[in-house]
Amino acid sequence: EAQVTQNPRYLITVTGKKLTVTCSQNMNHEYMSWYRQDPGLGLRQIYYSMNVEVTDKGDVPEGYKVSRKEKRNFPLILESPSPNQTSLYFCASSLIYGGHNEQFFGPGTRLTVL
Amino acid sequence: LAKTTQPISMDSYEGQEVNITCSHNNIATNDYITWYQQFPSQGPRFIIQGYKTKVTNEVASLFIPADRKSSTLSLPRVSLSDTAVYYCLMAGNTGKLIFGQGTTLQVKP
Repeated sequence: EAQVTQNPRYLITVTGKKLTVTCSQNMNHEYMSWYRQDPGLGLRQIYYSMNVEVTDKGDVPEGYKVSRKEKRNFPLILESPSPNQTSLYFCASSLIYGGHNEQFFGPGTRLTVL
Repeated sequence: LAKTTQPISMDSYEGQEVNITCSHNNIATNDYITWYQQFPSQGPRFIIQGYKTKVTNEVASLFIPADRKSSTLSLPRVSLSDTAVYYCLMAGNTGKLIFGQGTTLQVKP
């Protein structure tokens, strides 16, 4: 089944404890991206990657890192999480970059930073 | 960057047609308009996409006037299961995608 998977689905952590949220797609998509979703703010893009080893900042990149060493994986790294990073996170992928390409979203990761 | 504007929320009743309008005054020549639907506890999913005039699929219709500065998503005869958040995305050949706040549609019995 073609899909985007994220792990973990739920995570509670404490301020300053480094964490990684994994994202993987099995559709051979070149483009991948991360979003956070907060009440009243909709979906905001954190980082995106147009291909392996090519990443760039989205709208809200502060406090996050990403890497794209393989085509199928695009992990989101929080080096020192803070409470304002408590949010619902979505990973997405599409065949190539560009908003005119259908974005396939993962199921989401709900992160709570205490 | 250019952005889209949609109503924050809308209410409707089962069986009615619902029209959600999105404003995108700064649309560029190579931008497409895409609508996504999101149910609670799920990721958004693609509904429909268009460049101009009218597009229809089994789920919805999308109307884009000649000046392309707005678009209207039309959901015919909504049911309770259409209660969701609807996002309008205006984007072309770029990796940076700005989804905006979305419209929460509540369908009542």
